[in-house]
Order: sequence, then structure tokens, then C-alpha cells
Amino acid sequence: GEQVEQLPSSLIVQEGASVLINCSYTDSASVYFPWYKQEPGKRLQFIIDIRSNMERKQTQRLTLLFDKKTKHLSLHITATQPGDSAIYFCSATDSGTYQRFGTGTKLQVVP
Amino acid sequence: DMKVTQMPRYLIKRMGENVLLECGQDMSHETMYWYRQDPGLGLQLIYISYDVDSNSEGDIPKGYRVSRKKREHFSLILDSAKTNQTSVYFCASSLGGTSAETLYFGSGTRLTVL
Repeated sequence: GEQVEQLPSSLIVQEGASVLINCSYTDSASVYFPWYKQEPGKRLQFIIDIRSNMERKQTQRLTLLFDKKTKHLSLHITATQPGDSAIYFCSATDSGTYQRFGTGTKLQVVP
Repeated sequence: DMKVTQMPRYLIKRMGENVLLECGQDMSHETMYWYRQDPGLGLQLIYISYDVDSNSEGDIPKGYRVSRKKREHFSLILDSAKTNQTSVYFCASSLGGTSAETLYFGSGTRLTVL
């Protein structure tokens, strides 16, 4: 079945810096890639997604890049704020089964 | 306000006891899920329910069973809990028809099995 990996597992950045979170998947049948954010002690919340017929999607300070050939995604967060501190999860699905999640990237934004 | 509600938030049980985790959603979503979250492992799917009495195993169903008798309610049952079932359990729902859509998560239940 689908396997999703994320790197790095954790990172600490200064407020205002940009960060890049990488995600790779194994199943070439996967077509939908949502990302979720989990603030400490809170529920996972959807933040951005991309489908396999797109290469790039942007919303506010988030940019998601998708490379179908290499089965790789990158989430770019600009101008980070303390409120961005959270665990970020990448997910993948072929639309016929269910979403499988990566192990998460813990981001800490320090003042 | 669209919501997935989980009860209880925290639960401590002894090994061998039965455990019932409950989840409700007010969005009339067809599909509901139970995931568990463990450090370093991310979220792993236990069971998926496509509608009332239409349930399928996920990646780690052993030791768990589920019940869905109403569309808005999905229960996870641990018969004779084990210490390795200590985890945070998340319920989620989606509109249905395909897995290529946003999941809405509950706040989780932190279960400790002693």
C-alpha cells in the first residue's frame, strides 16, 4: 500500500523565516494530497491540498509544489509566526481507498 | 458550525477492561474514520465506515471493532484493552463518495491502558 514519508521530522526557526517541509509517496496511483496542521493538544485541521493534475498551489503564506515524476511534494511557509508552531502532516490517496498520512513534521517558531 | 465531537477526551483503563470511544458529526457526512496517533508513526487508519453498517478494516484493525448504527455516530470498541493500545484516537469524517476530499477531525481521545 501507499507509504508517505516526511522530512524533516522537526525544525526550529526564527519568527519571520521561511520553512520547507518535504513529503514523498510511493503509489503512482495517488491523485490527491491534502495537508493538515495540528497545533499542540488540538485536532488536525486541513490547510491546503493539491491534485495530481496540478504543479503548484498557493494560499496566503503557503505554497505547495507537486512533482508527479519524482512523487514528491514540498510545502513552503513564508514569514512564519508563532501561531505556525504545530505538527504538519502530508497525506496521499488514490481516491478509491483512504488517506494515508506521513509521520509529521514538528515546526517550532521562536521569537 | 461543522463539527466532529469525540467523547471522552481522556480515559484511563486497566488491561483487560472494555473500552468504548464515541464520535459524532453534525454534517451528514457519509464516511467516517477512526485513526490512532502514536509518536513517530503519524496517523494510522483503524477502520473506515462508508455509511450505516458498512464498515471496512484499515491498516491496523486487530484488537478493535466498530459500530455505526446512525449516519452521524461512529463508535470504536476495544474488547479487553491491551497496554499497547495506549494512544491518542482521532475520529474523522468526510462528505463521502471518494477519499479525495477534506477530512474533518475530532479533538481526539487520549487513552491510557494500565
